[in-house]
Amino acid sequence: QSALTQPPSASGSLGQSVTMSCTGTSSDVGAYSYVSWYQQHPGKAPKLILYGVRTRPSGVPDRFSGSKSGNTASLTVSGLQADDEAVYFCTSYAANNNLLSGGGTYLTVL
Amino acid sequence: EVQLVQSGAEMKKPGESLKISCQGSGYRFSDNWLVWVRQMPGRGLEWMGIIYPDDSYTRYSPAFQGQVTISADRSINTAYLEWSSLRASDTAMYYCARVTRIATGVPLSSDPWGQGTLVTVSS
Repeated sequence: QSALTQPPSASGSLGQSVTMSCTGTSSDVGAYSYVSWYQQHPGKAPKLILYGVRTRPSGVPDRFSGSKSGNTASLTVSGLQADDEAVYFCTSYAANNNLLSGGGTYLTVL
Repeated sequence: EVQLVQSGAEMKKPGESLKISCQGSGYRFSDNWLVWVRQMPGRGLEWMGIIYPDDSYTRYSPAFQGQVTISADRSINTAYLEWSSLRASDTAMYYCARVTRIATGVPLSSDPWGQGTLVTVSS
């Protein structure tokens, strides 16, 4: 069982928007703005798509956006494209000087 | 282009030793922290430890302290992850990645990642 809770699956239609959650506690997600999100296509390495809750690395389209409320961080993908179908992982810094990860959400694009 | 290339898949028996590698290119390898990450089937991303290749300063995640050894050879832009005695539970995909943000010795974000090295431990 992973330290951060992510729903195992999510889905959305082409062109629509979908939001995925990442729930922690007041000692990790709730305490720090150090949440990152990674996209992993099947059989491929993870790719960083957001850090610092909402900052996109160079080259990541602005269709990907992040937010946080209390102990839950969220990743929203708007204008869904077929290539967005992947597993999305969140990570967060934790008060015990550790990095926690969620189990990942598999996004299906319908 | 910043790139990390890892060594190939390994199949080992319990009790055997193993050292896998990760070679960087396209950036100043010595001046960037590098992290090793374990991913077990259907599981999340577990950071194992980080290394600063310039002086080989290393910090391990509490979960992996004493279980593995991380090292680097800056002369050939290569980092290593080593086991002295493998267990079946070490079967997983292992990734290296360049750390892009770090705080108090914890890798907050990492990119790019190597292609991964699949380690299978079975009798």
